[in-house]
Amino acid sequence: AQSVTQLGSHVSVSEGALVLLRCNYSSSVPPYLFWYVQYPNQGLQLLLKYTTGATLVKGINGFEAEFKKSETSFHLTKPSAHMSDAAEYFCAVSASGYSTLTFGKGTMLLVSP
Amino acid sequence: KAGVTQTPRYLIKTRGQQVTLSCSPISGHRSVSWYQQTPGQGLQFLFEYFSETQRNKGNFPGRFSGRQFSNSRSEMNVSTLELGDSALYLCASSGSPRSGLAGGLNEQFFGPGTRLTVL
Repeated sequence: AQSVTQLGSHVSVSEGALVLLRCNYSSSVPPYLFWYVQYPNQGLQLLLKYTTGATLVKGINGFEAEFKKSETSFHLTKPSAHMSDAAEYFCAVSASGYSTLTFGKGTMLLVSP
Repeated sequence: KAGVTQTPRYLIKTRGQQVTLSCSPISGHRSVSWYQQTPGQGLQFLFEYFSETQRNKGNFPGRFSGRQFSNSRSEMNVSTLELGDSALYLCASSGSPRSGLAGGLNEQFFGPGTRLTVL
């Protein structure tokens, strides 16, 4: 079974500041890890994914995440926040490329000018 | 390619009624998954259909059901609606494994959702 914990239901940053959204997972098998973003009244959009290989994964809109097996973490970062980054972010895990997704509770990112 | 479409986008029902939601996947995609999103429980997996067969099922009561047609379009039905069924219902489609992609990952593409309100 898999589970995901996202620390902090809300994270506030200033425009231009570092964004760090935390995600820890639990998985009985090597995990596939994902970050999705959801804008108001919209579905989920994939930001990035980790399957195998390089542990630092780069995604869209300047986001990246690092898979750390020893810490069972997959934190999402962006060097400089933009107002348009304000949205809800979800970390998800699956047991394989074909398994269903288990999501964390989500973190709302607030960006102030 | 057109994205995943869901109809209707908004729906208001009363307790005890039933509702049917529709999802049209991306052309060529054969897998459709349904998720329920609520403020309290977050995103929870309902079920997945592949080639008209239910392949996976989440932990929801039997009032929640679904089906998939030969053109891969999918519907989900909720009978005897309860207040707690108020949620955003998201549909996601995924295609066949792309050769050469590490792990044969089936990326899921989400639709905009159907917002169901039960009064």
